[in-house]
Amino acid sequence: ETGVTQTPRHLVMGMTNKKSLKCEQHLGHNAMYWYKQSAKKPLELMFVYSLEERVENNSVPSRFSPECPNSSHLFLHLHTLQPEDSALYLCASSQVAGGLGPQHFGDGTRLSIL
Amino acid sequence: GNSVTQMEGPVTLSEEAFLTINCTYTATGYPSLFWYVQYPGEGLQLLLKATKADDKGSNKGFEATYRKETTSFHLEKGSVQVSDSAVYFCALSVSSGGYNKLIFGAGTRLAVHP
Repeated sequence: ETGVTQTPRHLVMGMTNKKSLKCEQHLGHNAMYWYKQSAKKPLELMFVYSLEERVENNSVPSRFSPECPNSSHLFLHLHTLQPEDSALYLCASSQVAGGLGPQHFGDGTRLSIL
Repeated sequence: GNSVTQMEGPVTLSEEAFLTINCTYTATGYPSLFWYVQYPGEGLQLLLKATKADDKGSNKGFEATYRKETTSFHLEKGSVQVSDSAVYFCALSVSSGGYNKLIFGAGTRLAVHP
């Protein structure tokens, strides 16, 4: 079983649809992250949950809504998206305590907005 | 502030050639340093890490040494293979408001030809 699992792997949606991305980690970590990776742009940190509380929200438009029901699961709810939101969305997890350890990433959801 | 600068790609090499991808950083405090690799259609995988000055991280024939005096963490491999073709990201980790924040470089694409 892989450490961080993201579903779906691919998603095509219209601008008026509502969908959700799911992330699950099996590493016993207590922090989870959403990143956006667009072509020819640096990796963008969107949201951070530490110990199930949101600790960072990097000026992300309200059409993206995160949810972290427990330390193993993270969702990104999408509604009324724009074409420029087409990108690879990556989830990651890490352990908060015990030093500056790495984040572990899932394989991402490739999102295409029609 | 904290930042990571890595050499622009693409880097194109023949199989069995020597690889160097340069990475320098600026940071307040004592960051941990990482190299991540992203194969086509996948998320980021941790390749190697170093947590303090003069540490050498190594994995799968890749090496990088944490050089505090030159604020560098260059990635090297003695003999690359076609299967090493991917995008490589240098990153540093700093403590930020209750979680470990990763600062990424822009990524360097490596293409290895037979």
